[in-house]
Amino acid sequence: AQTVTQSQPEMSVQEAETVTLSCTYDTSENNYYLFWYKQPPSRQMILVIRQEAYKQQNATENRFSVNFQKAAKSFSLKISDSQLGDTAMYFCAFLETSGSRLTFGEGTQLTVNP
Amino acid sequence: DSGVTQTPKHLITATGQRVTLRCSPRSGDLSVYWYQQSLDQGLQFLIQYYNGEERAKGNILERFSAQQFPDLHSELNLSSLELGDSALYFCASSRGAPPLNQPQHFGDGTRLSIL
Repeated sequence: AQTVTQSQPEMSVQEAETVTLSCTYDTSENNYYLFWYKQPPSRQMILVIRQEAYKQQNATENRFSVNFQKAAKSFSLKISDSQLGDTAMYFCAFLETSGSRLTFGEGTQLTVNP
Repeated sequence: DSGVTQTPKHLITATGQRVTLRCSPRSGDLSVYWYQQSLDQGLQFLIQYYNGEERAKGNILERFSAQQFPDLHSELNLSSLELGDSALYFCASSRGAPPLNQPQHFGDGTRLSIL
């Protein structure tokens, strides 16, 4: 079974600075997808970014980028120019290419301070 | 707005009761997924339906059941409710079955409180 680990329960950053959230996973699969979801206080689950394991190039979406290290099974999220609206719980998630279920990590609560 | 609609937003009921949670997927999406988010278990996959048929099952209790209707909306039925069933229940949808089962877009969730 796949497992996803987020070792940082809480993090904080000053507005306009850069922060990196860590995620590691364990799988014997070669083809899979990785995601970061954001859950603000409103409790919505919002897709931030996704990475396909067969693509070596790291995904980017505006201020959000990932550092995908397949051999190390590591998938970190970098948020640049942090904004107050980035304050949320961030979940790392794994999906087998042939599977249906997203496996989530425990989450990292990020607080952006003014 | 993800395009996935869940109703109701909040539900308060008592132990032993039965409730139904409803989900309408994004336009064009054939797959619907149900997840449970609780304080002690985190986010757990419950079940997936694809075009009306059950496709995958996760940690879903026997007291829980789901179905997907011809118009593709889905319902999650929870019966003989216990205090531990209090949680946020999410519905998600995606275009199709693997490999078109991602990304999954989530609704706003239904918060279920058991008194």
